[in-house]
Amino acid sequence: DTGVSQDPRHKITKRGQNVTFRCDPISEHNRLYWYRQTLGQGPEFLTYFQNEAQLEKSRLLSDRFSAERPKGSFSTLEIQRTEQGDSAMYLCASSLGLASYEQYFGPGTRLTVT
Amino acid sequence: RKEVEQDPGPFNVPEGATVAFNCTYSNSASQSFFWYRQDCRKEPKLLMSVYSSGNEDGRFTAQLNRASQYISLLIRDSKLSDSATYLCVVNIRPMNYGGSQGNLIFGKGTKLSVKP
Repeated sequence: DTGVSQDPRHKITKRGQNVTFRCDPISEHNRLYWYRQTLGQGPEFLTYFQNEAQLEKSRLLSDRFSAERPKGSFSTLEIQRTEQGDSAMYLCASSLGLASYEQYFGPGTRLTVT
Repeated sequence: RKEVEQDPGPFNVPEGATVAFNCTYSNSASQSFFWYRQDCRKEPKLLMSVYSSGNEDGRFTAQLNRASQYISLLIRDSKLSDSATYLCVVNIRPMNYGGSQGNLIFGKGTKLSVKP
């Protein structure tokens, strides 16, 4: 499968715990995006990378959230001190860059904070 | 005003019907436009890009009106398998990043249910 992959697919955690999600983009894609989606809403942008550089962060990305893409390949999204409001689907997408604006999504990680 | 607005539906139509979805966007700097399809509890999947001249892909036709900041999607001869949520999406290129891409702004989606 050469699509975007995410791990884990589901995560249940207790409030206050830290969680980390991983995204592996399509191999030749140099841009990687994180989105969050809650029920009944469209995905909301969190942050994006071009290679290893984090170029943009949404105001939704509080200081409890951090994302990395150390070698310009896979990325991790960490949430510290999780809150119930963090419960959502976390989606990763990648794109080829250059003149291509089309983004391809992974299956997402569904986070439930109890 | 939300950046991308869609009628949430649901649109309940019989097989074979023609259905149209509309979408408006508020930021005139929007550069690229898309329709994504999302099945229940699945990730969004790119359905088609939308070009100024309008474009067609089989039973699907997308139109863009930049002056009115309006995007549409027409589905002809709808199939049961077309049942999904259709997301209108725009890309706003950040002015300070030159040619870089920026993020996608999604509408809430319009739910379509095609019945036999």
